[in-house]
Amino acid sequence: EPEVTQTPSHQVTQMGQEVILRCVPISNHLYFYWYRQILGQKVEFLVSFYNNEISEKSEIFDDQFSVERPDGSNFTLKIRSTKLEDSAMYFCASRTDGGRNSYEQYFGPGTRLTVT
Amino acid sequence: KQEVTQIPAALSVPEGENLVLNCSFTDSAIYNLQWFRQDPGKGLTSLLLIQSSQREQTSGRLNASLDKSSGRSTLYIAASQPGDSATYLCAVKGGGADGLTFGKGTHLIIQP
Repeated sequence: EPEVTQTPSHQVTQMGQEVILRCVPISNHLYFYWYRQILGQKVEFLVSFYNNEISEKSEIFDDQFSVERPDGSNFTLKIRSTKLEDSAMYFCASRTDGGRNSYEQYFGPGTRLTVT
Repeated sequence: KQEVTQIPAALSVPEGENLVLNCSFTDSAIYNLQWFRQDPGKGLTSLLLIQSSQREQTSGRLNASLDKSSGRSTLYIAASQPGDSATYLCAVKGGGADGLTFGKGTHLIIQP
């Protein structure tokens, strides 16, 4: 069964460094998402991406974040200058367009980001 | 702003019991509601999606209901098993939004 994959599973970085989190969405999906979950807190929406542009972003998704679909399979989240409070699990999700359950989002296993 | 609340926060029951997890949301103008399962340190597995026009969805031992006007959903788990132990998350998609709004989850433990 097709699934969303994410790399790396765990990333440790120093404060102020740039990180890129990578995701490979399900191949026929058209909408892509990033969410984050700080330890012990709710899963929070960051951004959605469709047709090579951001379709929606939350107030968390400020100028230090960016997303890109550099080729036909990858979807990336870049954090330009990491802060301690960026430490969280980052989930990528995707969904198709059309069909009865077209809005069902499928999540990857997550990347645990630790900023020291 | 949409808020999603899940009650109880934690639940521990003996194997074999039927149980109900509750989810409530403040803005009834939702497009759909999705139930997920999250195992410790892992990703989210989609269990059921209910469109706003539907009243319930079933998958195996799971049944989810939706009462959109009152802002409530329940997840019913029949004949619980130790393998059902996980955190169950409820998330709603608003009518004008693409991102999901999540509750904090119900941490479920099924005792063998």
